Amino acid sequence: QKEVEQDPGPLSVPEGAIVSLNCTYSNSAFQYFMWYRQYSRKGPELLMYTYSSGNKEDGRFTAQVDKSSKYISLFIRDSQPSDSATYLCAMSNNNNDMRFGAGTRLTVKP
Amino acid sequence: KAGVTQTPRYLIKTRGQQVTLSCSPISGHRSVSWYQQTPGQGLQFLFEYFSETQRNKGNFPGRFSGRQFSNSRSEMNVSTLELGDSALYLCASSLDPDRIYEQYFGPGTRLTVT
Repeated sequence: QKEVEQDPGPLSVPEGAIVSLNCTYSNSAFQYFMWYRQYSRKGPELLMYTYSSGNKEDGRFTAQVDKSSKYISLFIRDSQPSDSATYLCAMSNNNNDMRFGAGTRLTVKP
Repeated sequence: KAGVTQTPRYLIKTRGQQVTLSCSPISGHRSVSWYQQTPGQGLQFLFEYFSETQRNKGNFPGRFSGRQFSNSRSEMNVSTLELGDSALYLCASSLDPDRIYEQYFGPGTRLTVT
């Protein structure tokens, strides 16, 4: 079993939909939880990070962490075609060891 | 502020050759990490450098090595290339190792081994 599980999709939604992207993990030592967006043939771009449990909002993006369930989510409101990309979750422990999910490929159709 | 830069962007090499990739971190960032990204394995950690010292290393063979210079720029080297080394090699920088949760990636070097 991988330390971080992420449904690779692909996920296709119409423009304006609310998108929910999720990851589960097995290592309770993870403390920081990150979401990256990666466009085709580009490097990952940090969207946001969260420490421990709770919610964090940045514009149309909301990250949620539920440490008791070892489950993290990224919600995208009012999705746009420009949001079409692969979304990677990542997490790190106090030893700065990072693990990435496999990435979910999202397509937002006009 | 300029982002992380990587050179070259594309490389084609033959099995058995060696290759050196270069990374310049964001100005003021002193920690540099390297990753390999492939469709099958996803993003895998190679190694991390801080103050010219390798602090952490992933589960890769010794053919993969790296170094960091006093200006925080970093290079990684792969010797005796194998077909399976074909991948996107990503460099990421952060202010320091304790802020790895806030690291920024470069565009990557796409290496093709034939």
